[in-house]
Amino acid sequence: GAGVSQSPSNKVTEKGKDVELRCDPISGHTALYWYRQSLGQGLEFLIYFQGNSAPDKSGLPSDRFSAERTGGSVSTLTIQRTQQEDSAVYLCASSFKGGQSGANVLTFGAGSRLTVL
Amino acid sequence: ELKVEQNPLFLSMQEGKNYTIYCNYSTTSDRLYWYRQDPGKSLESLFVLLSNGAVKQEGRLMASLDTKARLSTLHITAAVHDLSATYFCAVDPGNQFYFGTGTSLTVIP
Repeated sequence: GAGVSQSPSNKVTEKGKDVELRCDPISGHTALYWYRQSLGQGLEFLIYFQGNSAPDKSGLPSDRFSAERTGGSVSTLTIQRTQQEDSAVYLCASSFKGGQSGANVLTFGAGSRLTVL
Repeated sequence: ELKVEQNPLFLSMQEGKNYTIYCNYSTTSDRLYWYRQDPGKSLESLFVLLSNGAVKQEGRLMASLDTKARLSTLHITAAVHDLSATYFCAVDPGNQFYFGTGTSLTVIP
């Protein structure tokens, strides 16, 4: 597609429910990242996928968080038993890593705003 | 722990004035990225600096990189209201990008 697509754009859920957030990266981009941005804060790294390599999950804040990337394309971030502190904007970004220039410019999606009541 | 620090965190400046935003990082990195985020929007890429001494300019914004000092600057010339946004710098020494704390810029008439 033309850009990184994320859905839903907004999600309101009750504490304790599970949520799934979806990211459709730019076609051909090998790298996919999930970040979290709380209100007025910077970006917190969650997870990174690159090609067929094992993902870097070092940023996931707890075992309630998981993510997968199917077929090297679409990714789903799942949060189980949501807590109020999970409320944030979840940003997905993709890039073509490994180009000759050495640059790894991220293209971000519009984000999924999660509110846990 | 790798740190990326920006200052100032908040900047209110008058139209027509010049100012510089600073980005310091604590690890070795030959690449430095600047992104812009408008309120309620996502991040968009502004500059990619790929080597020591690199300088990029786009309109009223100019970014530079000193890898020895681990410092990048984003200079604003003759600010206009359209530049009001939050600016983030970032480095990617490994798998992930490390983002600065962001500088919220407000340009006032």
